[in-house]
Amino acid sequence: QVQLQESGPRLVKPSETLSLTCTVSGGSISGYYWSWIRQPPGKTLEHIGYIYSTGSAHYNPSLVSRVSMSVDTSNNRFSVRLSSATAADTAIYYCVRHQNSGTYPIDHWGPGTLVTVSS
Amino acid sequence: ESVVTQSPLSLPVTPGEPAAIYCRSSQSLLQINGYNSLDWYLQKPGQSPQLLIHSGSIRASGVPDRFSGSGSGTDFTLKISRVEAEDVGIYYCMQALQTRTFGQGTKVEI
Repeated sequence: QVQLQESGPRLVKPSETLSLTCTVSGGSISGYYWSWIRQPPGKTLEHIGYIYSTGSAHYNPSLVSRVSMSVDTSNNRFSVRLSSATAADTAIYYCVRHQNSGTYPIDHWGPGTLVTVSS
Repeated sequence: ESVVTQSPLSLPVTPGEPAAIYCRSSQSLLQINGYNSLDWYLQKPGQSPQLLIHSGSIRASGVPDRFSGSGSGTDFTLKISRVEAEDVGIYYCMQALQTRTFGQGTKVEI
């Protein structure tokens, strides 16, 4: 059974870079699309972007100037960096896997990690 | 970027009774391959969301058959034929074009 686990600093200072890594176990990262999705407290979900296992990425236009993603196939993990963090970036961050067919729905989610941006 | 709007935002339900949630997209989600790029997810209290329906009407593996999805183009519906206590949570529709966008969520409670 594929499992995903987010890791990284839980507290980030304003203007600094928020960095998270998702480690995939129980299956290969190769051949799939992987995304980061976040959920500010009490709000709906927001798609940050996705990356394919070859490294090709697509970012949410609202975040494209601040976000980058990378994939490390040798260690079965992928990462996100969000620069110039503000309080608006405080959210639960989920890493997810997209199913490999049809409309590529999200079939696996990590447990999520709460990242707070505060001085 | 496609905007998806859900209704209602709050839905009181009675066990054993049917329930329905609606989702409208600002642009057509019907693809040339015949699939609709619309998924439904349920976020149970304290959990990550889980996939219920994809491609507008295809039930995900392991999802009870009391859940069904319908619709095409811009208007979609998620129906629960007979609500059970374990169905409480927040339901989201999500358009599955390049950048995904989610509805505001419908809170289902007994």
